[in-house]
Amino acid sequence: AQSVTQLGSHVSVSEGALVLLRCNYSSSVPPYLFWYVQYPNQGLQLLLKYTSAATLVKGINGFEAEFKKSETSFHLTKPSAHMSDAAEYFCAVSYMNTGFQKLVFGTGTRLLVSP
Amino acid sequence: GAVVSQHPSWVICKSGTSVKIECRSLDFQATTMFWYRQFPKQSLMLMATSNEGSKATYEQGVEKDKFLINHASLTLSTLTVTSAHPEDSSFYICSARDGTRDNEQFFGPGTRLTVL
Repeated sequence: AQSVTQLGSHVSVSEGALVLLRCNYSSSVPPYLFWYVQYPNQGLQLLLKYTSAATLVKGINGFEAEFKKSETSFHLTKPSAHMSDAAEYFCAVSYMNTGFQKLVFGTGTRLLVSP
Repeated sequence: GAVVSQHPSWVICKSGTSVKIECRSLDFQATTMFWYRQFPKQSLMLMATSNEGSKATYEQGVEKDKFLINHASLTLSTLTVTSAHPEDSSFYICSARDGTRDNEQFFGPGTRLTVL
């Protein structure tokens, strides 16, 4: 089955430290890949997406992600964490067999940022 | 721009009653909207795809008679949980696809349903 795996339900970093949130997908065909952020009591907001163009994708709020086909990964990074980055982050994929319309989400990673 | 609202934000109902949740795209037209369900500490699970003017397409395992979806206009889709039971308690999230923005899905803030 096509799926996406996020390693680590919680990630804790100090303010100013590197943020690394991991995402791996399972598919022999490269999908479209997305990272969303969810703040408490709010909807999901798109951070960035990969749609078969450049493998290094830059998003909002200083986040970026690199698509690595050989590793079937799309890890999210940010060089320096801010307190405001504390939120739930979801990796998602969509596939050609659904016209890239349906999103399949990972289980999410809660990012905790300490002063 | 690209704002999606949901109403109500939370609702508590008695077992056996029906609850309607609205999803609106406030500043764009959405021919397609999606309904998701999110259990605590779990991922969003797609329930159904709602297309304006036609029947919704339900994912495998989702009871269409239990979760009625109506997409009567380009800015409104509704999800009705019929004869709700405690196991239907969950966080329901909708998204609307904007064809003018590279078909990006914009998400509503969600509706917390608690069935007593």
